[in-house]
Amino acid sequence: AQKITQTQPGMFVQEKEAVTLDCTYDTSDPSYGLFWYKQPSSGEMIFLIYQGSYDQQNATEGRYSLNFQKARKSANLVISASQLGDSAMYFCAMRGLMNYGGSQGNLIFGKGTKLSVKP
Amino acid sequence: NAGVTQTPKFQVLKTGQSMTLQCAQDMNHEYMSWYRQDPGMGLRLIHYSVGAGITDQGEVPNGYNVSRSTTEDFPLRLLSAAPSQTSVYFCASSHRGEGGYTFGSGTRLTVV
Repeated sequence: AQKITQTQPGMFVQEKEAVTLDCTYDTSDPSYGLFWYKQPSSGEMIFLIYQGSYDQQNATEGRYSLNFQKARKSANLVISASQLGDSAMYFCAMRGLMNYGGSQGNLIFGKGTKLSVKP
Repeated sequence: NAGVTQTPKFQVLKTGQSMTLQCAQDMNHEYMSWYRQDPGMGLRLIHYSVGAGITDQGEVPNGYNVSRSTTEDFPLRLLSAAPSQTSVYFCASSHRGEGGYTFGSGTRLTVV
């Protein structure tokens, strides 16, 4: 069974500093994708970054990077130079990528980390 | 390109009432899913569909019904609303076997 674990219910970071949000996962799929979503107080789910299990390099998107350690089954999100607008809930998620249309293709989520950026 | 459209955005129901949450996507995605979000629980999968005519249960299916008669639409039916179904509901869609999911803007449902 697939599982995502986020062990930090809440975190604080000073504005302009970097912060790492932890995510570990478990899956039996040989090919899978890892995602991070941001949910601000307005409620929408905003896609941030994606890492494929066979990607050789860690994904980066602007100030976001994904520290992917496959052997440890971890996919931590690093936000550099935090901004006040980064205050939000952050969800780690995973789906299987095998093209067989089964339940492994569903996106499953961790419980999230609430990030608060202090001025 | 509208993406994933959910209606309504807000709804208040009385216990025992039934209603349908609508979800439509215009991206020809095979996968469509319904999630509920409760404080401290993340997003939990209610039902999902891998194509027209094919649906299956997720983690928390009790009290909900779905059907998928077309690729575009995936309505979620609450058969007899209960206060435990007070939650925020998200519909999402994706291509099979690749990429991420696109989410609707959510429906905040309160059952009194």
